[in-house]
Amino acid sequence: EAGVTQFPSHSVIEKGQTVTLRCDPISGHDNLYWYRRVMGKEIKFLLHFVKESKQDESGMPNNRFLAERTGGTYSTLKVQPAELEDSGVYFCASSQGNGETQYFGPGTRLLVL
Amino acid sequence: GQNIDQPTEMTATEGAIVQINCTYQTSGFNGLFWYQQHAGEAPTFLSYNVLDGLEEKGRFSSFLSRSKGYSYLLLKELQMKDSASYLCAVPRSWGKLQFGAGTQVVVTP
Repeated sequence: EAGVTQFPSHSVIEKGQTVTLRCDPISGHDNLYWYRRVMGKEIKFLLHFVKESKQDESGMPNNRFLAERTGGTYSTLKVQPAELEDSGVYFCASSQGNGETQYFGPGTRLLVL
Repeated sequence: GQNIDQPTEMTATEGAIVQINCTYQTSGFNGLFWYQQHAGEAPTFLSYNVLDGLEEKGRFSSFLSRSKGYSYLLLKELQMKDSASYLCAVPRSWGKLQFGAGTQVVVTP
């Protein structure tokens, strides 16, 4: 069974540009989570989808971040316009049920210059 | 706040035992996860404790005391491949995970 995949693995962009990250969860997992780790800090929650609905977006930093999960399968996270402080590693995780073990993807390393 | 605290780094030799402690705020507690993360890779699930006591899984064991807000991960018969970051995480509302900063374990020959 394929694990959680993320694309791209790395992205280097300039301040003010737009970047879109993609996450493909494990097939059949209704719950999809986005997390972020900035340099020297712990992994922090961004938001949680159940199927195509946003269950909890309390961790989203500001309105420059937009997440979607059309059709309840893969998800995208768009940052527009990107700022220097958005640099970090963005992880996606999925689980079958709410509160069950989350399986993580390898992350997208975003560097904003 | 609801801090999760774990040591920053631990060093041990091959074949030895290392114990990684994790303390957390007990309000709204729903269990505790341990993940292993090698540099540049995905965090991988190691264990989930929801009841008090020790759970053993091969060379790795995890312990939980809910009343004390305390857990530890025990790594036995250390191997070089065990050099990694070990993350303690507590599920909060709707299952979102709150992570500690991670403990970097360095295994030396």
